[in-house]
Amino acid sequence: KNEVEQSPQNLTAQEGEFITINCSYSVGISALHWLQQHPGGGIVSLFMLSSGKKKHGRLIATINIQEKHSSLHITASHPRDSAVYICAVAGGTSYGKLTFGQGTILTVHP
Amino acid sequence: DTAVSQTPKYLVTQMGNDKSIKCEQNLGHDTMYWYKQDSKKFLKIMFSYNNKELIINETVPNRFSPKSPDKAHLNLHINSLELGDSAVYFCASSQSPEIYGYTFGSGTRLTVV
Repeated sequence: KNEVEQSPQNLTAQEGEFITINCSYSVGISALHWLQQHPGGGIVSLFMLSSGKKKHGRLIATINIQEKHSSLHITASHPRDSAVYICAVAGGTSYGKLTFGQGTILTVHP
Repeated sequence: DTAVSQTPKYLVTQMGNDKSIKCEQNLGHDTMYWYKQDSKKFLKIMFSYNNKELIINETVPNRFSPKSPDKAHLNLHINSLELGDSAVYFCASSQSPEIYGYTFGSGTRLTVV
């Protein structure tokens, strides 16, 4: 079992739908990251969380430290949101080793 | 100016060859990383250097050797390439990652034929 589990692995939505991607982890962490990777593209950092909730545009990320769970929400989804979304956790060391979930492939149809 | 740049972006080579991938960051970060992304998009850390010193060395074949001539550069040299080395390799850098997070390069797609 991976230390970081994401669900679902694949997600298809219609434009405008509200989307949720979940991430559970089993290790102690100093921070949790949500990353985005477009097809054939590089990796972009969306959020870094150690508690609570963050919002950027139509994207919202939440984390529950006690339950070791985080969610990434996309409101009013758009085809340009189609990408792989990756959850990653950083352990307690200051050198910041990241452990990744397996990613969620999101496809938003117009 | 690209913050973390990798070269080449694509690399196609034959089995048994030796190749290098270069990474440079202009962010002034102290720590740099190499990650491997397999065909299922799963990312895994390979190496990390902090101020030219190797600090993370995951279970990676000895054919992979990182080199950091200075803290702005982290290169990855791969000897005797095998089919299973085909993947996308990402470089990243960080400075106090618990505060500022990470910056990733655009990746190098290595195909071994």
